[in-house]
Amino acid sequence: QSALTQPASVSGSPGQSITISCTGTSSDVGAYNYVSWYQQHPDKAPKLLIYEVSFRPSGVSDRFSGSKSGNTASLTISGLQAEDEADYYCISYTTSSTKVFGTGTKVTVL
Amino acid sequence: QVQLQESGPGLVKPSETLSLTCTVSGDSINTYFWNWIRQPPGEGLEWIGHIYYSGSTNYNPSLKSRVTISVDTSKNQISLKLNSVTAADTALYYCARGGKGSASPLDYWGQGTLVTVSS
Repeated sequence: QSALTQPASVSGSPGQSITISCTGTSSDVGAYNYVSWYQQHPDKAPKLLIYEVSFRPSGVSDRFSGSKSGNTASLTISGLQAEDEADYYCISYTTSSTKVFGTGTKVTVL
Repeated sequence: QVQLQESGPGLVKPSETLSLTCTVSGDSINTYFWNWIRQPPGEGLEWIGHIYYSGSTNYNPSLKSRVTISVDTSKNQISLKLNSVTAADTALYYCARGGKGSASPLDYWGQGTLVTVSS
């Protein structure tokens, strides 16, 4: 299985909205609504932001939202804040009952 | 609060077997899926595999021939074994809890343990 494709970097100014894409295939992203997103700050473990494409766990800011169209899932961060500067990863369940991560995106707040 | 703690040797010689343990506290490992993930220094996350508390497993196809994940419900522990390691296996290794389904998100993570493969 190949890693899902994410842009290497995305940047935005405070208050702006940015979107990170996560492109897979009909065997992973396109197969089910089992895409999750994680935020990872330097030297920290990843934190779950979004699950099943668009659901937020309790305690996660509503500035984070997710969607999916075909084989591409997306994470949108609204009202960008300095604390959002981190690496972001998507992960999808596959038709082989395995999981595959995205390549990761570094978000920079200008 | 669920807590996961990875442990094991920080240095493994090439061609040998990497062995790690994840100890879970604050909840029983029963009824959940448990995952291993790794992250080479400065690189992205890679899913290694998962195990259901009953012992059913799924592995990353690229690692399947070298990986074994097992569970010890009496100790509330999950173990990872990766054989025939090379420098490419040098990484921070995390364990994480999935939900009650194999597709469930990874909601609790350990802090990770760094394993270096070097002679």
